Amino acid sequence: KAGVTQTPRYLIKTRGQQVTLSCSPISGHRSVSWYQQTPGQGLQFLFEYFSETQRNKGNFPGRFSGRQFSNSRSEMNVSTLELGDSALYLCASSLRDSSYEQYFGPGTRLTVT
Amino acid sequence: AQSVTQLDSHVSVSEGTPVLLRCNYSSSYSPSLFWYVQHPNKGLQLLLKYTSAATLVKGINGFEAEFKKSETSFHLTKPSAHMSDAAEYFCVVSDLSSASKIIFGSGTRLSIRP
Repeated sequence: KAGVTQTPRYLIKTRGQQVTLSCSPISGHRSVSWYQQTPGQGLQFLFEYFSETQRNKGNFPGRFSGRQFSNSRSEMNVSTLELGDSALYLCASSLRDSSYEQYFGPGTRLTVT
Repeated sequence: AQSVTQLDSHVSVSEGTPVLLRCNYSSSYSPSLFWYVQHPNKGLQLLLKYTSAATLVKGINGFEAEFKKSETSFHLTKPSAHMSDAAEYFCVVSDLSSASKIIFGSGTRLSIRP
């Protein structure tokens, strides 16, 4: 079975721009969660989608948004980028929800200049 | 509110000696607990999980963890460290009844000395 894939793997953007990251879960997994990983804040939960509905949301500003499509693929969007948004963004898929084991993708490294 | 504390930011052991990575949690209800490992420039991989079944949980690569409710701990152990175990380890608590839902510990970097 193919693992979780994330595209692109690396991204450089300028302050004020917006960015869209993509995540394809493991086949059959209906839950997709997004995390931000930075040296200072560690791993922080952004949001979780299940069957195209946002089920849970972390404590991030509204500039961070996401969606899930009928094939369970998910996208995350960040608008009006700030320098502090530079991070590794990880996507994880799970069979049902985050109380089950999650399978992580390799991440997208976003650098904001 | 739930929380998770990894008591050591860095642990260094010699190859062949035991590994102990400590994790304490706080949760209002019965949480699910996980340990994940992250090798450099890689995503996270599940080592093991506790979901209110047996308190001693065996995972991959010889790791195991014991859930101790009285001590609110979920420490990760391995009898004999291998060079390939060098990585960052994260303790995670998931409690869907909590507003926080899922919390990652700050991580413990494990170094293995030859």
